[in-house]
Amino acid sequence: GNSVTQMEGPVTLSEEAFLTINCTYTATGYPSLFWYVQYPGEGLQLLLKATKADDKGSNKGFEATYRKETTSFHLEKGSVQVSDSAVYFCALSDLTGYGGSQGNLIFGKGTKLSVKP
Amino acid sequence: IAGITQAPTSQILAAGRRMTLRCTQDMRHNAMYWYRQDLGLGLRLIHYSNTAGTTGKGEVPDGYSVSRANTDDFPLTLASAVPSQTSVYFCASSDSKTGSGGYTFGSGTRLTVV
Repeated sequence: GNSVTQMEGPVTLSEEAFLTINCTYTATGYPSLFWYVQYPGEGLQLLLKATKADDKGSNKGFEATYRKETTSFHLEKGSVQVSDSAVYFCALSDLTGYGGSQGNLIFGKGTKLSVKP
Repeated sequence: IAGITQAPTSQILAAGRRMTLRCTQDMRHNAMYWYRQDLGLGLRLIHYSNTAGTTGKGEVPDGYSVSRANTDDFPLTLASAVPSQTSVYFCASSDSKTGSGGYTFGSGTRLTVV
């Protein structure tokens, strides 16, 4: 079935370091791909998305490119800040659905990022 | 109200008791979802609803029920709580059946069953 695998954390970086969080997926068809961010004590917020191969999603200095040939959607940021400390989730839209329903998101297990000053 | 409102924010519940987690959205999204978040397991879908009047089972539906009487509300009920239902519960909504639009999440309900 469809699934998302992302690198296990926690990831600890110094401020201004380069960030990569790996995400690979298994899916039938052509799913949309997403990165969500969860700050402490809050719900998930959509960070960026890409809906077709070779699309690049970007937001707040983060970016990720939909790579169909490697089934990947790695999250990158050139210079992280302390305020980027959060848990990051990779997700795909489940085109097969549960019981025939389309559109349900399948999430990876999350990667906790801690940025030290 | 802006977005999704969940209530209560947190709750300690005795095992065997019945509990309803409330979720309300003001965006007129057609689809709504309930997830539970557990350390090391990420988010797992409990139930979903693609439109008012319809519901479906997700990955971990046992012990939970939902209803969707109207567009805005999507309550989650635990008929007889057990300690394994201790978790953080998130309600979400979307306006796209194909999933390309992403979800809007509530702030969550932290439930402890003792």
